[in-house]
Amino acid sequence: GNSVTQMEGPVTLSEEAFLTINCTYTATGYPSLFWYVQYPGEGLQLLLKATKADDKGSNKGFEATYRKETTSFHLEKGSVQVSDSAVYFCALSRSPGNTPLVFGKGTRLSVIA
Amino acid sequence: KAGVTQTPRYLIKTRGQQVTLSCSPISGHRSVSWYQQTPGQGLQFLFEYFSETQRNKGNFPGRFSGRQFSNSRSEMNVSTLELGDSALYLCASSLETRAGANVLTFGAGSRLTVL
Repeated sequence: GNSVTQMEGPVTLSEEAFLTINCTYTATGYPSLFWYVQYPGEGLQLLLKATKADDKGSNKGFEATYRKETTSFHLEKGSVQVSDSAVYFCALSRSPGNTPLVFGKGTRLSVIA
Repeated sequence: KAGVTQTPRYLIKTRGQQVTLSCSPISGHRSVSWYQQTPGQGLQFLFEYFSETQRNKGNFPGRFSGRQFSNSRSEMNVSTLELGDSALYLCASSLETRAGANVLTFGAGSRLTVL
């Protein structure tokens, strides 16, 4: 079946450090890939997405590249801020259209000043 | 443009009771999905409705049910509550398009505590 595996957290970084959160997936066909972020007490917000191999999604300084050969979609940011502290979820949708998202377990990021 | 609105935000119930949660999608969005979020199991898909029809269903017991109205608003119901039903229930809506991936927009959730 379809699944997403994320690196376990929590991840604690100092402000301006480089961030990588690993995400690998198992899926049939050509899934779409997403990163969602959840701030304390809130629902999930879409951070970025990629719909085909070699696509790079980017938003707010975060980037992730759809790597079909390694079935990965790692999230990166060059310089994190305290405001980036949140839980990050990698997710896939098997195809465009009416299929539910499959989420990873989430990675909690804490950024300290 | 208003986002996805979920009510109530917080509620406390006792075992054996039932609960109804409500979700108002973004205007124009016809697909509504529900997810359960718990610390142990993470985010799990409950069901999805489109144009008042259940289109997908996750692996949850029959105590969990839902429906969608003609204005796309959706409700989910959990009967005979168990302690393990304590969770954050998230609703998401999406605009159906044939081009590219459908993006879900989530509400803030309804946090259910079962005592």
